[in-house]
Amino acid sequence: AQSVTQLGSHVSVSEGALVLLRCNYSSSVPPYLFWYVQYPNQGLQLLLKYTTGATLVKGINGFEAEFKKSETSFHLTKPSAHMSDAAEYFCAVSGNTGGFKTIFGAGTRLFVKA
Amino acid sequence: DSGVTQTPKHLITATGQRVTLRCSPRSGDLSVYWYQQSLDQGLQFLIQYYNGEERAKGNILERFSAQQFPDLHSELNLSSLELGDSALYFCASSRGGGSNEKLFFGSGTQLSVL
Repeated sequence: AQSVTQLGSHVSVSEGALVLLRCNYSSSVPPYLFWYVQYPNQGLQLLLKYTTGATLVKGINGFEAEFKKSETSFHLTKPSAHMSDAAEYFCAVSGNTGGFKTIFGAGTRLFVKA
Repeated sequence: DSGVTQTPKHLITATGQRVTLRCSPRSGDLSVYWYQQSLDQGLQFLIQYYNGEERAKGNILERFSAQQFPDLHSELNLSSLELGDSALYFCASSRGGGSNEKLFFGSGTQLSVL
């Protein structure tokens, strides 16, 4: 079975500050990990994903995430927040368990203050 | 624009009724997924179809059913509706349905059960 825990349902940062959104996962098989972003009144869009290989993954809009197996974590970071980054962010996990389903975390809403 | 089309965008109905939500995947995508998003439950995986066949099942109620047609569009049928079924229903698609694939989400159907 797989699950995702996102620490903090709301995160607030100032414009220009570091963004850190936390995600821990549980998986009985090697995981595939994803971060998606949802802007108001829109569907989810993929920011980045980790499947195999390099553990530091770079995505769109300056975001990156690092897969740390020992910590079962896949935290999302961005060095400098933009007002346009305000959205809800979802961490997700899947794996070749035979079910092929992608499980999403509860989401973290990011607020960016001017 | 993700290329995934969901209709209708909004649906208002009464308890006990039955509704059908429709999804057209991106051109060339064989796999369709249905998710339910609500404030208390977050984003819940319902069901996945690949090329017309059910591939994975999540927390889908017996009152709900889905199918994928030969032209690859999918329909989610919700019957005997209850107030608690009010939610945003997302359809997503992917090329082959593998666990490591990016999901492309539609804009969702907002269902309100009164």
